[in-house]
Amino acid sequence: GAVVSQHPSRVICKSGTSVKIECRSLDFQATTMFWYRQFPKQSLMLMATSNEGSKATYEQGVEKDKFLINHASLTLSTLTVTSAHPEDSSFYICSAGGFSYNEQFFGPGTRLTVL
Amino acid sequence: TQLLEQSPQFLSIQEGENLTVYCNSSSVFSSLQWYRQEPGEGPVLLVTVVTGGEVKKLKRLTFQFGDARKDSSLHITAAQPGDTGLYLCAGATQGGSEKLVFGKGTKLTVNP
Repeated sequence: GAVVSQHPSRVICKSGTSVKIECRSLDFQATTMFWYRQFPKQSLMLMATSNEGSKATYEQGVEKDKFLINHASLTLSTLTVTSAHPEDSSFYICSAGGFSYNEQFFGPGTRLTVL
Repeated sequence: TQLLEQSPQFLSIQEGENLTVYCNSSSVFSSLQWYRQEPGEGPVLLVTVVTGGEVKKLKRLTFQFGDARKDSSLHITAAQPGDTGLYLCAGATQGGSEKLVFGKGTKLTVNP
């Protein structure tokens, strides 16, 4: 399968700061990437769909000004959590799509802790 | 809203036992995937089923897609501690969207 990396794997920040998470496709070009959030012991919650060269499509209830997504190249999508607060603490996972049968390949995730 | 009902939510068994996880919906999916996720990591794709009635085997894991493409099951034979993890089913909706609909997951623990 395709290889997707995420950086950083863990980040701890103070309330009010912004945090950027990178998602890279290492061995293919990803025209579509997805950003998910996962709470402990729960399934994945889709936040937004990121398409290269265009604006991201956000799911209902996700603040686009809070969670800024940029997909400037075919191998890189970034999620910036702006003015982070403790309730933004979560496990954020990206995936790459555009494959047959809507298969997605996931990154290893980023654990965000906001103090 | 299209939903995938996954059951059971939690399963704790002894090594060597068999188990089945179910994924059901009232919606038809063009394809369905099964993923396994370990703590602190991203989900890993196990299999994709596409055709109604399709059965795929991956070592001790058997995946089946319902005839009407509304449900799927994952059967594990002689479970091992290494099978421990969160199993997620995800359906691809018809109509061209690339989004997946995820089930709530089954947390499997296989005790030695």
